[in-house]
Amino acid sequence: GENVGLHLPTLSVQEGDNSIINCAYSNSASDYFIWYKQESGKGPQFIIDIRSNMDKRQGQRVTVLLNKTVKHLSLQIAATQPGDSAVYFCAEQTGANNLFFGTGTRLTVIP
Amino acid sequence: GAVVSQHPSRVICKSGTSVKIECRSLDFQATTMFWYRQFPKKSLMLMATSNEGSKATYEQGVEKDKFLINHASLTLSTLTVTSAHPEDSSFYICSARGDWNGYTFGSGTRLTVV
Repeated sequence: GENVGLHLPTLSVQEGDNSIINCAYSNSASDYFIWYKQESGKGPQFIIDIRSNMDKRQGQRVTVLLNKTVKHLSLQIAATQPGDSAVYFCAEQTGANNLFFGTGTRLTVIP
Repeated sequence: GAVVSQHPSRVICKSGTSVKIECRSLDFQATTMFWYRQFPKKSLMLMATSNEGSKATYEQGVEKDKFLINHASLTLSTLTVTSAHPEDSSFYICSARGDWNGYTFGSGTRLTVV
C-alpha cells in the first residue's frame, strides 16, 4: 500500500487545549485525504476530508490542513474534550477506489 | 446518513473451522466494498476490494483462497476466513462506498481462533 505515516504515535493534551495531529504521505499523486477517529473495538468514524485542490478545510471544531509541497497533512481539534480521546488515522486515496491508512495517533485528553 | 452493519461483532472459533463475516449497507447501494484487517495498536491494512457481481481484487500478500470474498448484491459482501488458525485472529473491518464516493465503515468483527 501507500506509505502514509504519522509523526507521533501518542499525544496527550489537557482538556480545553487544542490538539494537532500530523500525517505524512508519500504519493504526490494522491488527491483525496480523510481523517478518521477510531474508538476501542469500533470501526473508523469519518471526521473530515480534503481534496488536493484545497489547502484547508474546516468543520465543527476540526480543521484539516494540507501541504502538498512537503506532502503533509494535519488535523487540528479545537477545545479538545475527553470524548475526543481515540486513535486518529489519516487515509489517502490512490486511484479510483483504494484507501490506505496511516499508522495512527492515540490522542489522550487529560481532564 | 449512510450506515454499514457488520456482523458478528465478535466470534470465537476453533482452529480449522471457517468463519463468515457479513457486511451490509443498510440505506444505500454500495458499488464497492472493502475489507480491512487490523492488528492490536496497528493501522488498518486493506485486504481486498470487491465490486458487486465480480471477483474481488486482493492486495499483495493476501491469500484469496484463505479469505473468500463474495459481493453478491449491492448491499451485501461477505468475508469467509477458511480453515482458520490462531494467526488469523484479528479485527476485521469492512467499508462500503456509495455513489457519492464516500466511505462508510462497519463496526468491525473481533475474530479469535482457539
